[in-house]
Amino acid sequence: AQSVTQPDIHITVSEGASLELRCNYSYGATPYLFWYVQSPGQGLQLLLKYFSGDTLVQGIKGFEAEFKRSQSSFNLRKPSVHWSDAAEYFCAVAGGGNKLTFGTGTQLKVEL
Amino acid sequence: KAGVTQTPRYLIKTRGQQVTLSCSPISGHRSVSWYQQTPGQGLQFLFEYFSETQRNKGNFPGRFSGRQFSNSRSEMNVSTLELGDSALYLCASSFSTATTEAFFGQGTRLTVV
Repeated sequence: AQSVTQPDIHITVSEGASLELRCNYSYGATPYLFWYVQSPGQGLQLLLKYFSGDTLVQGIKGFEAEFKRSQSSFNLRKPSVHWSDAAEYFCAVAGGGNKLTFGTGTQLKVEL
Repeated sequence: KAGVTQTPRYLIKTRGQQVTLSCSPISGHRSVSWYQQTPGQGLQFLFEYFSETQRNKGNFPGRFSGRQFSNSRSEMNVSTLELGDSALYLCASSFSTATTEAFFGQGTRLTVV
């Protein structure tokens, strides 16, 4: 069965600092990987996805993620965080079809 | 292009009642998936519908059901509501049943009292 681990429940960074959110997945074959962001009381917005090819993927809002098969990781990064990036971030894996298995999320707080 | 529309946005129901939630996918999308989000269990997959057929189902009791209409709109129903059914219910729209991007609606916040 597929699973996703986001080891950091909360992360606090200063505005302008760099950010890395960790995600580890478990899946037997080549996974389809996603990062979503959720603001309070809202739905999920897709930041980026990895299906195949280049292991460094670019997304919206200046985010990028790197797929590392050897480490079963798909970490999300941003070089300079803005106060508006404060939200909850979810990593997800799909093994085929549209069933997404989500991690427990990382709550990002941005200090001004 | 309109996004995924979920109605209603908020609902308050009493234990034992039933509830129906609605989801209109993005135009041209034929796959609709439903998720339950709670603080304790996180985001959990309920089911996926494509071409009016349930294609995949999560690990939820039979009280949770759904259907999809010929225009791809979907409804989910929860019967005999329990307090633990209080959650944010999210609908996701995808172009096909193969793995593609899923676009989420804003959700329906269900409170069971």
